[in-house]
Amino acid sequence: ETGVTQSPTHLIKTRGQQVTLRCSSQSGHNTVSWYQQALGQGPQFIFQYYREEENGRGNFPPRFSGLQFPNYSSELNVNALELDDSALYLCASSLTGKAEKLFFGSGTQLSVL
Amino acid sequence: DQQVKQNSPSLSVQEGRISILNCDYTNSMFDYFLWYKKYPAEGPTFLISISSIKDKNEDGRFTVFLNKSAKHLSLHIVPSQPGDSAVYFCAARRQISGANNLFFGTGTRLTVIP
Repeated sequence: ETGVTQSPTHLIKTRGQQVTLRCSSQSGHNTVSWYQQALGQGPQFIFQYYREEENGRGNFPPRFSGLQFPNYSSELNVNALELDDSALYLCASSLTGKAEKLFFGSGTQLSVL
Repeated sequence: DQQVKQNSPSLSVQEGRISILNCDYTNSMFDYFLWYKKYPAEGPTFLISISSIKDKNEDGRFTVFLNKSAKHLSLHIVPSQPGDSAVYFCAARRQISGANNLFFGTGTRLTVIP
């Protein structure tokens, strides 16, 4: 059984650029969530995907968007990057029914210069 | 608007003693409370959870207590071991339109001294 894997581990972008982060869910999990963790803070919910549809979003603007694919892998896209987007981005998968328990990947550290 | 708060950024405990990590919340709509443990360069790992209808849940050395009237929960680790040294996040779940929105605290760094 494979865990949640994220790529890349580190990324450096400049303000105004666009970025795509990728995630492979744990085997058998059909729900994926994305979280942003700024330095010194706890993770903040961005959105959740279930069966390829977004079914919940936190307090993030539309330039944060996502996709979930039939194999339950997922992408987080951020357009028009801002300096404040610099953070650790965490992907988490869950099995519907045990959904309060999330399995997190190691994250992608994004730096926006 | 921090709905889940961990007011102690760090805690040091001697090996073998009890570690008590605290968490406060403001939203009465939370239905599950969870503790996650995070080592450097790794994602958070689920540790233990408690439903809002219970006041205690135990799993081995870990016990979580929930006081709904005070909107307070705590994690007890007995006995503490050096391998428990990590950052502990308290989280609370609120389901919105079927989505699990976890609200996290800012974390408490636990150091267990051998």
